[in-house]
Amino acid sequence: AQSVSQHNHHVILSEAASLELGCNYSYGGTVNLFWYVQYPGQHLQLLLKYFSGDPLVKGIKGFEAEFIKSKFSFNLRKPSVQWSDTAEYFCAVNAQAGANNLFFGTGTRLTVIP
Amino acid sequence: EAGVTQFPSHSVIEKGQTVTLRCDPISGHDNLYWYRRVMGKEIKFLLHFVKESKQDESGMPNNRFLAERTGGTYSTLKVQPAELEDSGVYFCASSKGFNYGYTFGSGTRLTVV
Repeated sequence: AQSVSQHNHHVILSEAASLELGCNYSYGGTVNLFWYVQYPGQHLQLLLKYFSGDPLVKGIKGFEAEFIKSKFSFNLRKPSVQWSDTAEYFCAVNAQAGANNLFFGTGTRLTVIP
Repeated sequence: EAGVTQFPSHSVIEKGQTVTLRCDPISGHDNLYWYRRVMGKEIKFLLHFVKESKQDESGMPNNRFLAERTGGTYSTLKVQPAELEDSGVYFCASSKGFNYGYTFGSGTRLTVV
């Protein structure tokens, strides 16, 4: 079975600080990887996804993530956060050979202080 | 295009009562998914419809949960009778196909007291 670990439950940063949120998954086969974000009071939105190809994926709002297969990781990064990035971030995985449902991590709450 | 709509946005019911959650997917999206997040835990898959058929219901916790999607349009998720552990946020998502990605609704927060 697939599972996803997000080790940081709550991250607090000042504006302009750099961000890296950890995500590790456990599954032996080929996977699709996702980061979703939920801003306060809004629905889950897709930030970026990796299916194949270049392991460095660029998403919306200046976010990027790097797939490192040997480490089973898909960490999310942003060089300089803004107050508007305050939200909850979810990493998710799906087995390419399996069903279409996603396995999510427990989420990381990011608070950016102006 | 209109997004995925869920209602109610919030429901508080007593243990033993029945609650029905509704999801209206984006028009033309054959795939509809239900997920649930119990407080502090991960978002977990419940089931997947393709049109009106249940493609995968492996995540449904028990037979107190019944999902339907009559006519392949909107879907309902009924919990009967509700238990305290059913409290959480229920998300619905729809997609044209997996490679297109999901669009999520805002969720229904269910509180069972």
